[in-house]
Amino acid sequence: AQTVTQSQPEMSVQEAETVTLSCTYDTSESDYYLFWYKQPPSRQMILVIRQEAYKQQNATENRFSVNFQKAAKSFSLKISDSQLGDAAMYFCAWSRPTPLVFGKGTRLSVIA
Amino acid sequence: DVKVTQSSRYLVKRTGEKVFLECVQDMDHENMFWYRQDPGLGLRLIYFSYDVKMKEKGDIPEGYSVSREKKERFSLILESASTNQTSMYLCASSYTTPRQVSEQFFGPGTRLTVL
Repeated sequence: AQTVTQSQPEMSVQEAETVTLSCTYDTSESDYYLFWYKQPPSRQMILVIRQEAYKQQNATENRFSVNFQKAAKSFSLKISDSQLGDAAMYFCAWSRPTPLVFGKGTRLSVIA
Repeated sequence: DVKVTQSSRYLVKRTGEKVFLECVQDMDHENMFWYRQDPGLGLRLIYFSYDVKMKEKGDIPEGYSVSREKKERFSLILESASTNQTSMYLCASSYTTPRQVSEQFFGPGTRLTVL
């Protein structure tokens, strides 16, 4: 069975600084999808970024980027220029294609 | 914008009651999902459905059932609620094309408390 591991239950970052959230996964599949989702306090879960495993280029979305290391089965999320609105639970997820397998989440705090 | 709505944000029920959680999506998505979210455990898949009247068990289906009579609606049923089913329940939907997998779109969640 596929598993997704987020080894950092909690992290904090100073406003305007950069933070990296780690995620590793275990699969024998070669073609799959990876996602980072954000869940702000008491608000809806939304997609931050996605990566197709067949693409070597790392995905980026504005201040969010990933470091996808397929051989190492690693999929970290980098948040640049952190903002107060980035404070949330972040979930890493794996899919081929559905349903999603989620990690247990990392709670990110942003310090003003 | 895709919209996934859930019938209640907060729900309080008694042990042994039958509980219905409703989820509706407005984007004609084929796939719908029910998860429960508990602190320290992340999201765990209860049931999912790839089409009307189809259902598949997820990782933790015990104590739950589902119904999908219409494409836009996916209901989660707790036949006899128990205190260990106190949790946040999230519904999601997605679409699939031959060459692309969409992300899942989530509803706001229902926080269920069973007393």
